[in-house]
Amino acid sequence: NAGVTQTPKFQVLKTGQSMTLQCAQDMNHEYMSWYRQDPGMGLRLIHYSVGAGITDQGEVPNGYNVSRSTTEDFPLRLLSAAPSQTSVYFCASSSPGLAGGTDTQYFGPGTRLTVL
Amino acid sequence: AQKITQTQPGMFVQEKEAVTLDCTYDTSDPSYGLFWYKQPSSGEMIFLIYQGSYDQQNATEGRYSLNFQKARKSANLVISASQLGDSAMYFCAMRGPGAGSYQLTFGKGTKLSVIP
Repeated sequence: NAGVTQTPKFQVLKTGQSMTLQCAQDMNHEYMSWYRQDPGMGLRLIHYSVGAGITDQGEVPNGYNVSRSTTEDFPLRLLSAAPSQTSVYFCASSSPGLAGGTDTQYFGPGTRLTVL
Repeated sequence: AQKITQTQPGMFVQEKEAVTLDCTYDTSDPSYGLFWYKQPSSGEMIFLIYQGSYDQQNATEGRYSLNFQKARKSANLVISASQLGDSAMYFCAMRGPGAGSYQLTFGKGTKLSVIP
């Protein structure tokens, strides 16, 4: 299993440009999510999905769109990039833990985005 | 609203000594989960340990243990026999709200430095 993969690893955009951050998982997890990490802020939830065709907003959704057409993929779209979106973006996936077992979320390696 | 507080921005520990990283949480939901993640300088998020709100015993995973005090709403991470490779950022996170939620709320993290 590759786990959770993200592409690209690094990206530089100009203000106003659009792009899509890719996220894929091969663990057949129902739940996928996107977080952003800014210095001194920890990780904050942008959007999440509980299954194909179902998405919802997290704490900081403005400026981002998501869709979930398959179980495996959960892309994050920036329609018009702004300098405030300069951050490290993490995708995560999880599945309900067995009763009495360990619950966890698996994170991708992250995408470092700079908006000039 | 859920909240995670990590009051120690930075900690130092001597190699081979034990160290406790503090985490307090706030939630009104009776069903939640608590996680600790390690983030080394390479940037990936590494799952360490999980504690469910209904778990009777404190979670342990190798050198990591979670000191769960439900009445005090604290979930401190204890690392025994520190190693140089333990130097990293450590994040406490809480899953919720609700038993079916996989949204994580993160603290701002603690930077641990292990001294030889």
